[in-house]
Amino acid sequence: DQQVKQNSPSLSVQEGRISILNCDYTNSMFDYFLWYKKYPAEGPTFLISISSIKDKNEDGRFTVFLNKSAKHLSLHIVPSQPGDSAVYFCAASPSYNTDKLIFGTGTRLQVFP
Amino acid sequence: NAGVTQTPKFRILKIGQSMTLQCTQDMNHNYMYWYRQDPGMGLKLIYYSVGAGITDKGEVPNGYNVSRSTTEDFPLRLELAAPSQTSVYFCASSYSWDRGHSGNTIYFGEGSWLTVV
Repeated sequence: DQQVKQNSPSLSVQEGRISILNCDYTNSMFDYFLWYKKYPAEGPTFLISISSIKDKNEDGRFTVFLNKSAKHLSLHIVPSQPGDSAVYFCAASPSYNTDKLIFGTGTRLQVFP
Repeated sequence: NAGVTQTPKFRILKIGQSMTLQCTQDMNHNYMYWYRQDPGMGLKLIYYSVGAGITDKGEVPNGYNVSRSTTEDFPLRLELAAPSQTSVYFCASSYSWDRGHSGNTIYFGEGSWLTVV
């Protein structure tokens, strides 16, 4: 039972354009969400997070949007750069257990010149 | 600035063999975790620890054991390796999970590639 879903396994975007990565979740107890970025042969690194009390969080070129009613969040990267090419994981934390993150399956983003 | 260090990076095991994946962190984090990532899947939590002497099961603990005798070290033990344990293993650590700070999050090691044949 995949509680955090990333339905697009891959995404290809031209440099300078916007990249939009999507994530859906099923557990209404999730109230803290994070995005991680992973390069090949490296561990995931934290990118940006959002609490359920907000609907948007912005950090430089990265913005995360949360739609609680739809149980959907998205990561926007503007403008996209070739160095953004990586696998992006969405993760969620339930309010009843803050010690665990539930990860999605990841979306591979490729930014081409 | 080492962060989270895992060894070995690559290992091939025969079915039934045992081994220990080592993990150490130098950030004085009290929380430590072991995740596994199977091809095309997200990370699944195997075991975690909220401090020295305390461990707890995650989503997929079967076939593994852990110990936490010090704050820095969190080894993962495979007692009887099985092909289903072929995966990439990530150790991670964090401060107490302070959800109010977006920068306070889990830091991962580089991963250990394990193949059981």
